[in-house]
Amino acid sequence: DTAVSQTPKYLVTQMGNDKSIKCEQNLGHDTMYWYKQDSKKFLKIMFSYNNKELIINETVPNRFSPKSPDKAHLNLHINSLELGDSAVYFCASSQVELTQETQYFGPGTRLLVL
Amino acid sequence: QKEVEQNSGPLSVPEGAIASLNCTYSDRVSQSFFWYRQYSGKSPELIMSIYSNGDKEDGRFTAQLNKASQYVSLLIRDSQPSDSATYLCAVNNNDYKLSFGAGTTVTVRA
Repeated sequence: DTAVSQTPKYLVTQMGNDKSIKCEQNLGHDTMYWYKQDSKKFLKIMFSYNNKELIINETVPNRFSPKSPDKAHLNLHINSLELGDSAVYFCASSQVELTQETQYFGPGTRLLVL
Repeated sequence: QKEVEQNSGPLSVPEGAIASLNCTYSDRVSQSFFWYRQYSGKSPELIMSIYSNGDKEDGRFTAQLNKASQYVSLLIRDSQPSDSATYLCAVNNNDYKLSFGAGTTVTVRA
């Protein structure tokens, strides 16, 4: 009964490859996010979708393309992987109630680019 | 200037003591404030949220917010070894964007 799940948990791949990470939430939330946490543990937002529509697109290379087939899913596709893409990628979801919003994080996908 | 700044760690406290974590933010219109705990190799876990000035207590945790000073803090009373983790301060401006601080690593010595 995991609230926010991600697959795969670990991803080791060669430079130049294309890979996808999948995220699903069963909380009924309207908004989903992708965050990147680098080796210094700094957590930074990449994308946010609300009801399948892109609402936040931070300064992220075009090689990263999110896709939300429905409200419960947000996938991240990465083209032409580079060494600097190595990080932990967290998916999160939230529901705004009045002015209050709490984000719940998935377990993370640890990406290592060789 | 970073949007959210936390006091640099690591912070080492003896078991049973109070751990005090501080956070300042730059955007005056910020509305929502959160403290997340992240154990090594795990995902961030929400432990406290606070939306109005003053104190909010939940068990051994107390969050304090002062919007005039753009300051939010977290106190952990009766610190336990299981409290050893990185604590992330996060701020939301009601624009679906959560800005995180760099985190403060806390170690509770048994």
